[in-house]
Amino acid sequence: DAKTTQPPSMDCAEGRAANLPCNHSTISGNEYVYWYRQIHSQGPQYIIHGLKNNETNEMASLIITEDRKSSTLILPHATLRDTAVYYCIVRVNFGNEKLTFGTGTRLTIIP
Amino acid sequence: GAVVSQHPSRVICKSGTSVKIECRSLDFQATTMFWYRQFPKKSLMLMATSNEGSKATYEQGVEKDKFLINHASLTLSTLTVTSAHPEDSSFYICSARDHRGSGGAGYEQYFGPGTRLTVT
Repeated sequence: DAKTTQPPSMDCAEGRAANLPCNHSTISGNEYVYWYRQIHSQGPQYIIHGLKNNETNEMASLIITEDRKSSTLILPHATLRDTAVYYCIVRVNFGNEKLTFGTGTRLTIIP
Repeated sequence: GAVVSQHPSRVICKSGTSVKIECRSLDFQATTMFWYRQFPKKSLMLMATSNEGSKATYEQGVEKDKFLINHASLTLSTLTVTSAHPEDSSFYICSARDHRGSGGAGYEQYFGPGTRLTVT
């Protein structure tokens, strides 16, 4: 699986949009971009994933650049409960199904 | 969404004893479950992949005789830490993949809440 690079930490004001970047310059054509988050002392929570088109669900939006070398997770209206470590992972969807977690971005929502 | 439970959520045991952790998929069937370990302030590290009805596949450096994995049904996998030592104290997390998937677009894994093991 391709390696990802994320900033170690970010702050965002409550109520504002949180934009979390991820670089995955060595992503292969059949690799998807997945986002998970882990709130302190809990198991990771799936957020969203995509291949090349932008995706949106009830939790977040995922913007993938045209060359697929980077992506941005957007939490449109951040709340205090969004404080967590956010992991960007790229992987194929069949064959090797392992998730390889990097160090992620520690997002702190400021009241 | 799919729910994965773990039991117990927290356990304290004495050095040299064995501890069993259960991972259950509550509303879906999981042919594949994964076991992770997470030390304080560190990321999750995959320990092994558990396949229903067959032997688990362990990651490099993980002792299969120490961390026994059994995946006897489509909704249950167990991890037994044998002869536990203080260095085995960690946060153990399982995940499960819905065996139905959704073609190439839905192989997301669902994680349990984790089990905090403390070995004294």
